[in-house]
Amino acid sequence: LAKTTQPISMDSYEGQEVNITCSHNNIATNDYITWYQQFPSQGPRFIIQGYKTKVTNEVASLFIPADRKSSTLSLPRVSLSDTAVYYCLVRRGTGRRALTFGSGTRLQVQP
Amino acid sequence: SAVISQKPSRDICQRGTSLTIQCQVDSQVTMMFWYRQQPGQSLTLIATANQGSEATYESGFVIDKFPISRPNLTFSTLTVSNMSPEDSSIYLCSVEAGGPDEQYFGPGTRLTVT
Repeated sequence: LAKTTQPISMDSYEGQEVNITCSHNNIATNDYITWYQQFPSQGPRFIIQGYKTKVTNEVASLFIPADRKSSTLSLPRVSLSDTAVYYCLVRRGTGRRALTFGSGTRLQVQP
Repeated sequence: SAVISQKPSRDICQRGTSLTIQCQVDSQVTMMFWYRQQPGQSLTLIATANQGSEATYESGFVIDKFPISRPNLTFSTLTVSNMSPEDSSIYLCSVEAGGPDEQYFGPGTRLTVT
């Protein structure tokens, strides 16, 4: 399974766009890139998933370059409530269904 | 989507005792997962529980220490046996629902062993 690397922590201010980049150099052809968000004292929550190019939903955008060796989660106009840990995961399209979590990025949004 | 509840939400237990954590889902699901999250750390998978078969444990976790039951498609239990302070952690269950690529997590059970 592809190992992921992401910054340990990031700081931002309310109203700014936040981009969190994740490196997954040995991603396989049938792997998907998935991001989860975890607030304190809660379980992780699925945010977004993609395979290539760009995916957008009501919460975030996910940018994946052609070589797929990295991905960037973009959070537009963050607010204090976006303070959380963000996990980048690479998972197979078939087979093992359990998730392998890396260390995550702790995002702190300041007023 | 799926709504997951866990009981208890937290507990303080003495060394050497056992605690059973319950996970209830509001819909029928094939696969349920149990994770552990130690303070300030990421999540670690303990085991995968399919209804009607034995749970599959990850390296470092054994059935004698973490027995799991999966009696039906909406319920599972994880027991933490013969507890030590090193078992102090948050235990979370999750299910795959709403699609093949989305997992939903319960709120977790915060266990403190003294």
